[in-house]
Amino acid sequence: GAGVSQSPSNKVTEKGKDVELRCDPISGHTALYWYRQSLGQGLEFLIYFQGNSAPDKSGLPSDRFSAERTGGSVSTLTIQRTQQEDSAVYLCASSPGTSLQETQYFGPGTRLLVL
Amino acid sequence: RKEVEQDPGPFNVPEGATVAFNCTYSNSASQSFFWYRQDCRKEPKLLMSVYSSGNEDGRFTAQLNRASQYISLLIRDSKLSDSATYLCVVKTSGTYKYIFGTGTRLKVLA
Repeated sequence: GAGVSQSPSNKVTEKGKDVELRCDPISGHTALYWYRQSLGQGLEFLIYFQGNSAPDKSGLPSDRFSAERTGGSVSTLTIQRTQQEDSAVYLCASSPGTSLQETQYFGPGTRLLVL
Repeated sequence: RKEVEQDPGPFNVPEGATVAFNCTYSNSASQSFFWYRQDCRKEPKLLMSVYSSGNEDGRFTAQLNRASQYISLLIRDSKLSDSATYLCVVKTSGTYKYIFGTGTRLKVLA
């Protein structure tokens, strides 16, 4: 079946511009995560959505970052007024969201380069 | 101290060798443990979950030591295709946050 998809796969933008990154989770998965991975670094948690519950935004690095999840499915991560330090791979993952099914399935990521 | 720590490597081993990685975690309430594999410029993929009694999947064996708060991954008969970064992941029961280590890089040499 279809896995997690993300778009665009690559994004080059100029400092100060806004960008939107999209994630389509696996159908039926209630949990959705956004992570950021800088070159040679581990995954940094950004935000978590679970069903209709309020998202956990505690990992968002600044108020320039925001995310939405519409209809419990597709999610969009928006970065406003991008800075060079925002350059990274942004990974989305989904999971069934139950305690018995904890495996996270990752999308291929969006590589963001801010010039 | 980081919540999850791994030796970044790289571990350079010849084909056919046995190699082991450890990962330490600081939160004693951690309950779920995983090893993910990440190839260069690719997304992480689940390699195996780590169960309390230890578990094996082909050439891969994972073990958990709660007393010392570490998990291990043993790879036997290494293949060139095993070359990747191996990420240790820890989750506390009742929470939804997965804490990722920075990964251990493995290079299997011909």
